[in-house]
Amino acid sequence: GIQVEQSPPDLILQEGANSTLRCNFSDSVNNLQWFHQNPWGQLINLFYIPSGTKQNGRLSATTVATERYSLLYISSSQTTDSGVYFCAVTTDKLIFGTGTRLQVFP
Amino acid sequence: DTEVTQTPKHLVMGMTNKKSLKCEQHMGHRAMYWYKQKAKKPPELMFVYSYEKLSINESVPSRFSPECPNSSLLNLHLHALQPEDSALYLCASSQEGRRIQYFGPGTRLLVL
Repeated sequence: GIQVEQSPPDLILQEGANSTLRCNFSDSVNNLQWFHQNPWGQLINLFYIPSGTKQNGRLSATTVATERYSLLYISSSQTTDSGVYFCAVTTDKLIFGTGTRLQVFP
Repeated sequence: DTEVTQTPKHLVMGMTNKKSLKCEQHMGHRAMYWYKQKAKKPPELMFVYSYEKLSINESVPSRFSPECPNSSLLNLHLHALQPEDSALYLCASSQEGRRIQYFGPGTRLLVL
């Protein structure tokens, strides 16, 4: 089956720093979503981005489907950005990546 | 409104108990899902309902029994669970099988 790998697995930042999270997938997909899972377990939709670039405030995402990767950019990070970031791809079902655990310190 | 609700938020049960998890959405979505998430792991798909019919069962043990009484409700009936079934159980919905999925806040289950 399709493999979805994320890097880095862990990321520690100071408030105000920028970061780039990467998602690689091993086969063609129908779409791709980015989620933020907060410390209480809630999965929050960030982007639905099968291809191209989207921006929402301090976050932006780019998916290059032909090269099978997606990037999530977080600028001017805040402590509330802490949590786990998942990408998830859809074939016949949603398959989650391995996740990036982000900790932002004041 | 992109809200999926789940009850209860927390559940502690013994291995001989029978309990149910409930999920509800009022977005008119026709696909609903159950996922299981262990600590420090990504969510894993358990079941998919499409137009109130079970379309995917990811080889889940029979001690987990899903039910979709109507297009807005999804239940997960639990019976004779094992301690290793302790996890966060997430419900999601989407307009159809390959569209954006929206997740509920989850039920944290502890089996003693």
